[in-house]
Amino acid sequence: EDQVTQSPEALRLQEGESSSLNCSYTVSGLRGLFWYRQDPGKGPEFLFTLYSAGEEKEKERLKATLTKKESFLHITAPKPEDSATYLCAVQAHYGGATNKLIFGTGTLLAVQP
Amino acid sequence: DAMVIQNPRYQVTQFGKPVTLSCSQTLNHNVMYWYQQKSSQAPKLLFHYYDKDFNNEADTPDNFQSRRPNTSFCFLDIRSPGLGDAAMYLCATSEGVTDTQYFGPGTRLTVL
Repeated sequence: EDQVTQSPEALRLQEGESSSLNCSYTVSGLRGLFWYRQDPGKGPEFLFTLYSAGEEKEKERLKATLTKKESFLHITAPKPEDSATYLCAVQAHYGGATNKLIFGTGTLLAVQP
Repeated sequence: DAMVIQNPRYQVTQFGKPVTLSCSQTLNHNVMYWYQQKSSQAPKLLFHYYDKDFNNEADTPDNFQSRRPNTSFCFLDIRSPGLGDAAMYLCATSEGVTDTQYFGPGTRLTVL
């Protein structure tokens, strides 16, 4: 069964303290892996898409990497405004075109000043 | 800016009273989705439209229905809301079925 697991469930950092969030997945053929940021009471905001092992993407203090079994979201020198829930989702190959995203339950990040 | 808009942002309804949530998009995307997200849970896909072609998830209750009258608008109808239907409802769009999905701000539904 296709599955996405994110760890840790919650992470508290001091401002400037770099860390990484993990997204491990089991899927029968990965089409793409997506990272979203979700603020309380709002919809997910798209961050990155990764398609193949070894791929990396960066945006400001965030860097996403992908292997054949997991993805990491590295946060360098975080600021309080980086506090949010970070969601990982995978899209798998099935017979015929499909679009279904399988989401993890997210990592709740709190960055303290 | 191109975007996904959901109205209302907050909706309160009574147990069993039908409710309709609205989603519109200025992205001109072909695909529109409805997700349900309960507190601290992952978003759960209810159904999606590829253009006018409706695709229902197997485990979506019959109580949930959707309409897409044109490219820009999509509606979620909950025929007889129960207490368990209280959740955030998210609309998303994508260019094609395998492309990145962009989400709206969500509608928080409360059932009294």
